[in-house]
Amino acid sequence: DIVMTQTPLSLSVTPGQPASISCKSSQRLLHSDGKTYLYWYLQKPGQSPQLLIYELSSRFSGVPDRFSGSGSGTDFTLKISRVEAEDVGVYYCMQGVNLPLTFGGGTKVEIK
Amino acid sequence: EVQMLDSGGGLVQPGGSLRLSCAASGFSFSSYAMSWVRQAPGKGLEWVSSISSSGVSTYYADSVKGRFTISRDNSKSTLYLQMNSLRVEDAAVYYCAKGHGVYDWGTDYWGQGTLVTVSS
Repeated sequence: DIVMTQTPLSLSVTPGQPASISCKSSQRLLHSDGKTYLYWYLQKPGQSPQLLIYELSSRFSGVPDRFSGSGSGTDFTLKISRVEAEDVGVYYCMQGVNLPLTFGGGTKVEIK
Repeated sequence: EVQMLDSGGGLVQPGGSLRLSCAASGFSFSSYAMSWVRQAPGKGLEWVSSISSSGVSTYYADSVKGRFTISRDNSKSTLYLQMNSLRVEDAAVYYCAKGHGVYDWGTDYWGQGTLVTVSS
């Protein structure tokens, strides 16, 4: 199974400031089709997870452009250029290249 | 608009059974793989099972293999999870999730979740 490791565990950010979350996989997530199947989700309090980023760096429909995904190989990053109050919740990375689907442990983002 | 409505959760005794359903709309259900993911109270996300778009291929986490069965009815745009021999550790919110791509198992839209409580 591919192990996904997220850091930090939690993040307290001043509104308007940037934030960054790291995710490392135990294996490369590069598929034979050339795509990297790394996903980022945000689970807001009391809600189900919502997709932010798919295939490493593509923003999902309706996701603000302050969210961006990057990385290569086994190291990945989610960046929020300017954190807003509505961005609070737990962020998860997930690999979709192989089953079982595996998730990072989550990063809780709160507003200072 | 894509919508997925999870249902069927409830309180069950250890050893009991439940059948979860996920009614989907707003997309071509038969074209996408589907998955179940669960989240124990206060914990992270754990993949449970996935099924191919046709329903021919099914996959399970080791923790549920032999006890849970995933299925789908493409004519009704509905995903199911039959859960037998339930254990205390199966207690969680169960989410259905729509497959995103063609060549991977990633997901995009998730249902609102249905709570399964296993307790005597």
